[in-house]
Amino acid sequence: SQKIEQNSEALNIQEGKTATLTCNYTNYSPAYLQWYRQDPGRGPVFLLLIRENEKEKRKERLKVTFDTTLKQSLFHITASQPADSATYLCALEPLASGTYKYIFGTGTRLKVLA
Amino acid sequence: KAGVTQTPRYLIKTRGQQVTLSCSPISGHRSVSWYQQTPGQGLQFLFEYFSETQRNKGNFPGRFSGRQFSNSRSEMNVSTLELGDSALYLCASSQGQGAMQETQYFGPGTRLLVL
Repeated sequence: SQKIEQNSEALNIQEGKTATLTCNYTNYSPAYLQWYRQDPGRGPVFLLLIRENEKEKRKERLKVTFDTTLKQSLFHITASQPADSATYLCALEPLASGTYKYIFGTGTRLKVLA
Repeated sequence: KAGVTQTPRYLIKTRGQQVTLSCSPISGHRSVSWYQQTPGQGLQFLFEYFSETQRNKGNFPGRFSGRQFSNSRSEMNVSTLELGDSALYLCASSQGQGAMQETQYFGPGTRLLVL
């Protein structure tokens, strides 16, 4: 079946360390992949967009990689802070899709410990 | 610039009723997408509108419908509500190239409870 997998369990890391979140997909050839942050009770906030012909994208302490061969995207937060604690979602648009446009993963809950 | 606004923020309905949710995009944005978020299924795409036309559609039954007005404001309607329709309904706007090709700005959502 068509789906996106993210670490289903919460990820706890120590402040100052690098957090690495994984987004794996099957049966897609996405042209675009996005990462979002969502806090409880609020709408997602866009973080980064990466295109299929880009291997890596950076924004301040954030870095996203996109490996179309492995069908995987990694999301890194360097020098993590307690304020980075949230749920992080990846989303993609398949190049050839039926009615399943704009597919989101279930998210990984990150907790940064002070 | 004002962000995406959604009304109402909270809603309680009973089975069989219908509901209309409203979304006002960021000024100048022409694309509006709607999503349903539940603990079990996560965030699921409902539909996307651009220039008053439905551009993309997710895998939801025909009870879910939407429209977009000339000022880019959008509404979604759910008819014959079922218990399983209880969810957070999120609206997102973007400039117009397509929701995944550009930055999407989400609203705070409308939390719908069906009893």
